[in-house]
Amino acid sequence: GEDVEQSLFLSVREGDSSVINCTYTDSSSTYLYWYKQEPGAGLQLLTYIFSNMDMKQDQRLTVLLNKKDKHLSLRIADTQTGDSAIYFCAAGGSARQLTFGSGTQLTVLP
Amino acid sequence: GAVVSQHPSRVICKSGTSVKIECRSLDFQATTMFWYRQFPKQSLMLMATSNEGSKATYEQGVEKDKFLINHASLTLSTLTVTSAHPEDSSFYICSARGQGTGELFFGEGSRLTVL
Repeated sequence: GEDVEQSLFLSVREGDSSVINCTYTDSSSTYLYWYKQEPGAGLQLLTYIFSNMDMKQDQRLTVLLNKKDKHLSLRIADTQTGDSAIYFCAAGGSARQLTFGSGTQLTVLP
Repeated sequence: GAVVSQHPSRVICKSGTSVKIECRSLDFQATTMFWYRQFPKQSLMLMATSNEGSKATYEQGVEKDKFLINHASLTLSTLTVTSAHPEDSSFYICSARGQGTGELFFGEGSRLTVL
């Protein structure tokens, strides 16, 4: 089955860029998602990318996909304190449910 | 974007009682819904997949008689925790998959505390 890995923690200073990395194992995964979870809340879909894309940009968010290495990254430009949360990477196909990574706790320091 | 609503957001119950959590897709029809359980500071654990009009598919290790799932319509799935025990205390999250792109949208979660 699919296995999705993320680093557990990331700290950045306010105004800097944050890069959260994720690797997955199933090359047939066609949907790759990033979710944000704030304390005590559910998951908020941030952005997603299809496996036939290399990059997707949405305002301060940039997703990069290296399909050969099965590596996905989420870059948050001009990181703000409100970006502090847990970020989950998830991978899956359209006919299957997603497999989630363990989540990366992003802490934004003033 | 698509919205998934869960209710209640928080529930406290006594040991031995049953609790029902609802998951609704508000502006789209969800042919498939998923129920997850999340322990503190951990990732989501998929409990079961529910498909409208058919029985839910449970993941290994999840007791189907304890966690009853019903997906009676294209916009509503319910999770009932039967005879709840303190170890059932957790954060339960549902997600719904719309038709077409297969995007998954999540509810806000329901925090269950069993005393």
